Amino acid sequence: GESVGLHLPTLSVQEGDNSIINCAYSNSASDYFIWYKQESGKGPQFIIDIRSNMDKRQGQRVTVLLNKTVKHLSLQIAATQPGDSAVYFCAEDTGFQKLVFGTGTRLLVSP
Amino acid sequence: GAVVSQHPSRVICKSGTSVKIECRSLDFQATTMFWYRQFPKQSLMLMATSNEGSKATYEQGVEKDKFLINHASLTLSTLTVASAHPEDSSFYICSARDRGLVSNEKLFFGSGTQLSVL
Repeated sequence: GESVGLHLPTLSVQEGDNSIINCAYSNSASDYFIWYKQESGKGPQFIIDIRSNMDKRQGQRVTVLLNKTVKHLSLQIAATQPGDSAVYFCAEDTGFQKLVFGTGTRLLVSP
Repeated sequence: GAVVSQHPSRVICKSGTSVKIECRSLDFQATTMFWYRQFPKQSLMLMATSNEGSKATYEQGVEKDKFLINHASLTLSTLTVASAHPEDSSFYICSARDRGLVSNEKLFFGSGTQLSVL
């Protein structure tokens, strides 16, 4: 879903489940995308990135999928853990050496 | 990995006070640093791009006379909120790009500064 006002979309999962967080980006010319994790009161932490010449990239427990046709990104987290609870942002490189961040999704992982 | 140090982490001040926030790259040189602002439960919004030795580039709607940026060395950029007012209360975050790399693959963020103006 999209953020409305002050409410972040929230995804609630059980520990051990797989999580999928989605993001729509705006600029079809963007060629580089990054997922960040942000814990309360801290700066964003790099998770995984992907270039526009790829449609999938895997890291440790995380996978990013890119669908350029519909300008959509997703972040898949396998075997989600309580420590994964945070707000997740996608960001696109607009080509001017600066990032535009998406609206964010709060992930809540229950033990 | 590369570290970006941001200070202070939290500041509470009276209305009308000017507040300076520092962003340092500890183990790399950063020709470019970025300053973001984040309101509660919202995304990061780019305020300005800070380039070493030249004037900062501000995003549309950001007052350059209110948010003064100085990037005097390859390891330090400062953001000064001039005559802060309660509406300037926010979480300010800096990031620094490793000079040796050509893309944002290596963009490192500070830990943020929570500014509360009374």
